[in-house]
Amino acid sequence: SQQGEEDPQALSIQEGENATMNCSYKTSINNLQWYRQNSGRGLVHLILIRSNEREKHSGRLRVTLDTSKKSSSLLITASRAADTASYFCATVQNAGGTSYGKLTFGQGTILTVHP
Amino acid sequence: GAVVSQHPSWVICKSGTSVKIECRSLDFQATTMFWYRQFPKQSLMLMATSNEGSKATYEQGVEKDKFLINHASLTLSTLTVTSAHPEDSSFYICSARERLARFYEQYFGPGTRLTVT
Repeated sequence: SQQGEEDPQALSIQEGENATMNCSYKTSINNLQWYRQNSGRGLVHLILIRSNEREKHSGRLRVTLDTSKKSSSLLITASRAADTASYFCATVQNAGGTSYGKLTFGQGTILTVHP
Repeated sequence: GAVVSQHPSWVICKSGTSVKIECRSLDFQATTMFWYRQFPKQSLMLMATSNEGSKATYEQGVEKDKFLINHASLTLSTLTVTSAHPEDSSFYICSARERLARFYEQYFGPGTRLTVT
């Protein structure tokens, strides 16, 4: 079963605007990862944040993690039409969990960036 | 590095036939491979985990006799959908993880679109 929820389910913005997607999860995690998926394609790994990290940056991406709230956010700044895709968070549980070592995906956010 | 390929990228088959999908790690040894299924506009659902040389572990609700997984080498895993039916039509994605993946990183293949008519 899915680990948690992502919101919004769909996000439509104009080029140049920022896009923020949120992810919540239910169990103690080792790390949380964000992926992008273009329509009909495989997954592209964007960023991994460990449970002892609070924020991480990669280019125009900024990820935050709040383990006390069991939530994470992905911010894409200065969005481009090419950022149009589905974005998924995925968690890896800590040892002892039934899904230890496996990736458990959120429902995803469909981002549309209009030129 | 860390490239995973899948073959075929798409396949159309008739109901009742079997289809084999290959997943290969091209530049690393994948001690663990994962198979996911994704329906349109939905997330990825893990079907099974396979470790090289041992039987796959299937997630609850996944029929192991219908979805046969073989992980015979450190670079190849196969998923065979036996006696396929239209409801098996989906996007199948594999991923691979190497032994020393410190943060359990997985590398994903490009996916295989299966259409059963």
